[in-house]
Amino acid sequence: QKEVEQDPGPLSVPEGAIVSLNCTYSNSAFQYFMWYRQYSRKGPELLMYTYSSGNKEDGRFTAQVDKSSKYISLFIRDSQPSDSATYLCAMSLNTGNQFYFGTGTSLTVIP
Amino acid sequence: DAGVTQSPTHLIKTRGQQVTLRCSPKSGHDTVSWYQQALGQGPQFIFQYYEEEERQRGNFPDRFSGHQFPNYSSELNVNALLLGDSALYLCASSFGDRGGYTFGSGTRLTVV
Repeated sequence: QKEVEQDPGPLSVPEGAIVSLNCTYSNSAFQYFMWYRQYSRKGPELLMYTYSSGNKEDGRFTAQVDKSSKYISLFIRDSQPSDSATYLCAMSLNTGNQFYFGTGTSLTVIP
Repeated sequence: DAGVTQSPTHLIKTRGQQVTLRCSPKSGHDTVSWYQQALGQGPQFIFQYYEEEERQRGNFPDRFSGHQFPNYSSELNVNALLLGDSALYLCASSFGDRGGYTFGSGTRLTVV
């Protein structure tokens, strides 16, 4: 069993839609949860960084962590064509420790 | 503000050869981590360097080695290249134990 599971998609939505991206994990010791966006031929770019359970909002992006269910989500409101990319979830045991990544979900926002 | 810089951007090597990849961390960052990202997969942790020492290591064979210099830049060396080593190699930097890496654009290594 992989440490982190993520549906690879692809996911295609119309512009303006609300997008929901999800990951599950098996290690209950994970405490730090991240979402990265990766454009083609580029390195991952940090979108959200959260500690433990709860919600965090930043502009059109909201990250949710449910440690009891070992489930994290990223919501994108009012999606734009520029949001088209691969979204990677990542998590770690402690700050500074290695990150465990999901396989990434490919998202296309259609104008 | 210079981010993480990696060189070269692309590289083609023959099976059995050795390769060295280079990384300059973001200004102010002192910790460098290396990841391997195969096509269609998420990045896999190789190792992390802090204060010129390997602090953590992932599940990669000894063919993968690294180094960190006093200016915090780093090298990743891979010996006896295999076809399966073909991947995007990502360098990420951070400051101490603070999370949320900054990634470079990577080096695309193709082994033929």
